[in-house]
Amino acid sequence: QSALTQPRSVSGSPGQSVTISCTGTNSDIGAYNYVSWYQQHPGKAPKVMIYDVNKRPSGVPDRFSGSKSGNTASLTISGLQAEDEADYYCCSHAGSFVVFGGGTRLTVL
Amino acid sequence: QLQLQESGPGLVKPSETLSLTCTVSGGSISSSNYYWAWVRQPPGKGLEWIGSIYFSGKTFYNPSLKSRVTISVDTSKNQFSLRLNSVTAADTAVYYCTREETSTAHYWGQGTLVTVSS
Repeated sequence: QSALTQPRSVSGSPGQSVTISCTGTNSDIGAYNYVSWYQQHPGKAPKVMIYDVNKRPSGVPDRFSGSKSGNTASLTISGLQAEDEADYYCCSHAGSFVVFGGGTRLTVL
Repeated sequence: QLQLQESGPGLVKPSETLSLTCTVSGGSISSSNYYWAWVRQPPGKGLEWIGSIYFSGKTFYNPSLKSRVTISVDTSKNQFSLRLNSVTAADTAVYYCTREETSTAHYWGQGTLVTVSS
């Protein structure tokens, strides 16, 4: 199976909003509402920021939001802060397995 | 608070078998609704889902690794394990164990680096 497609990098200035896209197929993102997003800082384990397309775990700021349209999911981060600089990975249920995106490096300018 | 801890050799020779164990504390591995999974990350690269197991022993595997992977569970020890056969340098990675719910890994271990080298 192929990884979900994400842009290699995105950037934004503090206070701005950025959106990271994640494109899959009608066998994964398009078929299930089980899309999640992870934030990973260097040398650390990933942390879930969004699950089930648009739900936020307790403790995740409401600046983080998720959505889905067809075979594409999106993570939007509003009011960018310096600590948001990290790698972000999307993930989707794909029937009998799980598939990750290739990852997006977010740079806060 | 649920905690997961990976353990196992940090160095494996090519063609041999990689074996890791994840010890779960602060919760029961026999809890319903949760799957216990392995995810890996080669140095400088992205995340790759390896597979998962339910406490009953039901398993799911990444199709690209299925022929080489076995995941097992020991409910008496609150542990689950990964075995990856016939390893090559491409299997060098940080291996994470996680707890999944609806395919979301809400809890992660700290990760353990496994290097494949002679």
